[in-house]
Amino acid sequence: NAGVMQNPRHLVRRRGQEARLRCSPMKGHSHVYWYRQLPEEGLKFMVYLQKENIIDESGMPKERFSAEFPKEGPSILRIQQVVRGDSAAYFCASSPKSLAGAETQYFGPGTRLLVL
Amino acid sequence: TQLLEQSPQFLSIQEGENLTVYCNSSSVFSSLQWYRQEPGEGPVLLVTVVTGGEVKKLKRLTFQFGDARKDSSLHITAAQPGDTGLYLCAGGRFGGTSYGKLTFGQGTILTVHP
Repeated sequence: NAGVMQNPRHLVRRRGQEARLRCSPMKGHSHVYWYRQLPEEGLKFMVYLQKENIIDESGMPKERFSAEFPKEGPSILRIQQVVRGDSAAYFCASSPKSLAGAETQYFGPGTRLLVL
Repeated sequence: TQLLEQSPQFLSIQEGENLTVYCNSSSVFSSLQWYRQEPGEGPVLLVTVVTGGEVKKLKRLTFQFGDARKDSSLHITAAQPGDTGLYLCAGGRFGGTSYGKLTFGQGTILTVHP
């Protein structure tokens, strides 16, 4: 049973370019979460999505950042006009959560974004 | 804002010693998860505890969830060099505006010397 897949594992962008990070959840999981881990800091929640719906985007910057989880295909975290401060590790997690309560989240290997 | 205070931040011990990592909050969590993260990799789940007072054992690792579900601890018996890594606690909540998100502690970097 494959785990959470993320690609690319490493991404280098110049300031002003766009970064697209992809996440395929574990088989059978319909809930996806994105977290960011800045150097020397802990993981911070960004956004929680279900298929075709954004449930909670309270941790995502209002500008330049967007996320989607289409009916078909992986979840995408998109960062437009990247700046050096966007350099971080971005992790995706998935869960089989039901409305009954919180389920354990399983993490992917992350995408390391470096903005030059 | 919910905060999870994890301590100690750094722990350097000799092989065979015991250690405890603490995770404390002023907020109640519905579940508490412990992860271990290796450099360049994502967090790997060790355990989930959901019931106040719950104790779970995973070989030499013992996890406890406080009675009030505000704190947790990870105890490692007879640590080995292979236990070296970053240990993270993360709290989850049911319902409300926090539903779905995990709040992470700052992490404990454990180094076990042979």
